[in-house]
Amino acid sequence: DIQMTQSPSSLSASVGDRVTITCRASQAIRNDLGWYQQKPGKAPKRLIYAASSLQSGVPSRFSGSGSGTEFTLTISSLQPEDFATYYCLQHNSYPWTFGQGTKVEIK
Amino acid sequence: DVQLVQSGAEVKKPGESLKISCKGSGYTFTNYWIGWVRQMPGKGLEWMGSIYPGDSDTRYSPSFQGQVTISADKSITTAYLQWSSLKASDTAMYYCARLVTAIDYWGQGSLVTVSS
Repeated sequence: DIQMTQSPSSLSASVGDRVTITCRASQAIRNDLGWYQQKPGKAPKRLIYAASSLQSGVPSRFSGSGSGTEFTLTISSLQPEDFATYYCLQHNSYPWTFGQGTKVEIK
Repeated sequence: DVQLVQSGAEVKKPGESLKISCKGSGYTFTNYWIGWVRQMPGKGLEWMGSIYPGDSDTRYSPSFQGQVTISADKSITTAYLQWSSLKASDTAMYYCARLVTAIDYWGQGSLVTVSS
């Protein structure tokens, strides 16, 4: 199985801060990676697909980059509605695997 | 609009069987894989497996192989996740999802509680 190591597991940030979350794959996965946001009691929502493509309707302050084994999700200016948990998901090979999640909390 | 509508919350006893459902609409059900994802209370997302309703090709994560059965009935555009003998550790929220470049659409989730 491909292991996805996501970091940090949690972070505290203020509105307006730039936030970066990283996922590292245990082997190369090309750009077969998506990023998801989950708020409490809700289903996850896709933010980024194919590592760097912004899902329609998602604010442009979200961006993704990377290829191979290292990927990042960046929120350029954190907004109150962005406090949530974020997950990466690799779909290069079965079984698909999620990162452990990053909880973004208010400082 | 693409929609995945899941069956409601279930409360079961250990050893009981269960089948939860996920009805797809707004797209050609047989042309897209459907996956299932587990989220235990307070924990992260876990990939369980997936099915292609067009030909019922099914893939399981090794962690769930033999523990659950994934199936689909294309005549009613519905996918299923079932257990033959539930355990307390099966208590979780279960999501179905459409698989397009990873996951593009999610169901609303089905909460399964297993308690004696």
